[in-house]
Amino acid sequence: AQSVTQLDSQVPVFEEAPVELRCNYSSSVSVYLFWYVQYPNQGLQLLLKYLSGSTLVKGINGFEAEFNKSQTSFHLRKPSVHISDTAEYFCAVSDPPGRGFQKLVFGTGTRLLVSP
Amino acid sequence: GAGVSQTPSNKVTEKGKYVELRCDPISGHTALYWYRQSLGQGPEFLIYFQGTGAADDSGLPNDRFFAVRPEGSVSTLKIQRTERGDSAVYLCASSFSGGARTGELFFGEGSRLTVL
Repeated sequence: AQSVTQLDSQVPVFEEAPVELRCNYSSSVSVYLFWYVQYPNQGLQLLLKYLSGSTLVKGINGFEAEFNKSQTSFHLRKPSVHISDTAEYFCAVSDPPGRGFQKLVFGTGTRLLVSP
Repeated sequence: GAGVSQTPSNKVTEKGKYVELRCDPISGHTALYWYRQSLGQGPEFLIYFQGTGAADDSGLPNDRFFAVRPEGSVSTLKIQRTERGDSAVYLCASSFSGGARTGELFFGEGSRLTVL
């Protein structure tokens, strides 16, 4: 079964500093990878995804992530964070589709706390 | 609004009682999902509907949990004989059928269930 590890439960950072949120997954086969973000009092929303092709994927709000198959990682990065980036970030993995639905398996989340 | 709507936002009940949680998906989305998020954990898959039928209910923890989507739109998650361990945030998501294959889900804000 797929699993996702987000080692950092909380990452404090100052505004305009760079940030990296770590995600590792357990799979020896092809996978789809996702980052979802949950802002306070809002539902989860898709930040970016890797399905195939270029290993560097860009998402909304200036975030990007790099798929590294050899290290089974999909770390999320932003070169300069804003106060408004304060949120909970979830990494998720699914098997590529065979015939239809493949459930998303989420990590435990990383809370990004941006302070002035 | 145009997003996924979940009611109630908060539900407090006593052990042993019956609970219903409602999800109104985005108009036109054929796929609907229920996830459960316990404290300090990531969302955990419960059930997936494509249209009116449950295409995958492998995540339902036991037979006290049941979900329906009789007309292919609104869904109700039903929990019988609630237990304290059922306390969690229940998340509903919807997508176009393609989203079921690529993990692009649109989540509601969730229904927080507390079982005393």
